[in-house]
Amino acid sequence: DTAVSQTPKYLVTQMGNDKSIKCEQNLGHDTMYWYKQDSKKFLKIMFSYNNKELIINETVPNRFSPKSPDKAHLNLHINSLELGDSAVYFCASSQFRRSIAGPTDTQYFGPGTRLTVL
Amino acid sequence: QKEVEQNSGPLSVPEGAIASLNCTYSDRGSQSFFWYRQYSGKSPELIMFIYSNGDKEDGRFTAQLNKASQYVSLLIRDSQPSDSATYLCAVNVGGTSYGKLTFGQGTILTVHP
Repeated sequence: DTAVSQTPKYLVTQMGNDKSIKCEQNLGHDTMYWYKQDSKKFLKIMFSYNNKELIINETVPNRFSPKSPDKAHLNLHINSLELGDSAVYFCASSQFRRSIAGPTDTQYFGPGTRLTVL
Repeated sequence: QKEVEQNSGPLSVPEGAIASLNCTYSDRGSQSFFWYRQYSGKSPELIMFIYSNGDKEDGRFTAQLNKASQYVSLLIRDSQPSDSATYLCAVNVGGTSYGKLTFGQGTILTVHP
């Protein structure tokens, strides 16, 4: 009954390699995200897709390319990995709702992928 | 000025005390505010969100929002050692409906027995 899942959980690779991280959500949400959390634990958004359409693209190097084959999946491909790419990458999903408590777009996070570039 | 600022701590409180976590934000257009808890090596998990001025209570947690002062806080009553974690304040900066969250750097909370 996992809500947001990511694979792999750990990824160790050499500089210059290309790697992919996969994310899937079974919450029926329309929007999915990729975040990067650096060694200082600062969590920063990279990309967001809504119904397979890219809606947020922060200042991320072109080596990072997200792909959303359907609204339940959002993958992240990274070319020519660099030492500075070492971090934990989190996928998240959300569904915008209006309720008595107010408008919300609560994001639910996956378990994270720890990427180490040697 | 950072868009969302928190004291990084660590904040240390004794078991049973009230822990007070603070967050300020720069964008007056921000509409919704979130508190996440992150245990070491784990993913952020939502504690609560608030969007209107005043207090919102959920169990031992109370979120307080003051839009005029651009300030949001989280109070944890009867703090337990299991509350020891990093608390992340997140703001929907710009009030978009697509949930672009900007996070603070997090406050490390330690509750000692």
